[in-house]
Amino acid sequence: EVQLVESGGGLVQPGGSLRLSCAASGFTFSDYWMSWVRLAPGKGLEWVANIKLDGSEKYYVDSVKGRFTISRDNAKNSLYLHMNSLRAEDTAVYYCARATLYLDSWGQGTLVTVSS
Amino acid sequence: DIQLTQSPSFLSASVKDRVTITCRASQGINSYLAWYQQKPGKAPNLLIYAASTLQSGVPSRFSGSGSGTEFTLTISSLQPEDFATYYCQQLNTYPLTFGGGTKVEIK
Repeated sequence: EVQLVESGGGLVQPGGSLRLSCAASGFTFSDYWMSWVRLAPGKGLEWVANIKLDGSEKYYVDSVKGRFTISRDNAKNSLYLHMNSLRAEDTAVYYCARATLYLDSWGQGTLVTVSS
Repeated sequence: DIQLTQSPSFLSASVKDRVTITCRASQGINSYLAWYQQKPGKAPNLLIYAASTLQSGVPSRFSGSGSGTEFTLTISSLQPEDFATYYCQQLNTYPLTFGGGTKVEIK
């Protein structure tokens, strides 16, 4: 059974940093692209970033470029999202998802709150 | 960026109703479109991919159609567990984008 478990969310001040993790199991992690998607309060889903199987290609939504970095460790079956210069508008539940082009498996999400 | 416009943004329907949700893309995306269902406090769930292919395990009352710029999600007979928010997503071009969502509520 595919399992994705996010961690690392919490309360952070504007301008602060946070690293989210996603532990994957039940499939061969290194065979799949992976994604981060977020859901802000009262808003719709927003795709954040994608990373290729070996980490050689990364793509971001414009609003996080230069502030967020997606990475992965295939030896640890783990996906990461390094978030810097956080803003109030980054407040959201962050989901990791397996990408067979389409997002066919999702974690339960981790809440990031950016507030002073 | 490719904009996806879902309509309606909200609909009220009864059990056993036929429901159709539309997703229009600002430019052609071939058939690189997915539909997801999300319930409050839960992760999204993939329903349809490649515009019209039913994801494994998803009930056959869900169907998708369209190509290019206009797509539809149809629920042939709405069930109590289908009350949720539905999103389309295009995967033709980066940045990947979602529609604004359609909330389906009980009439």
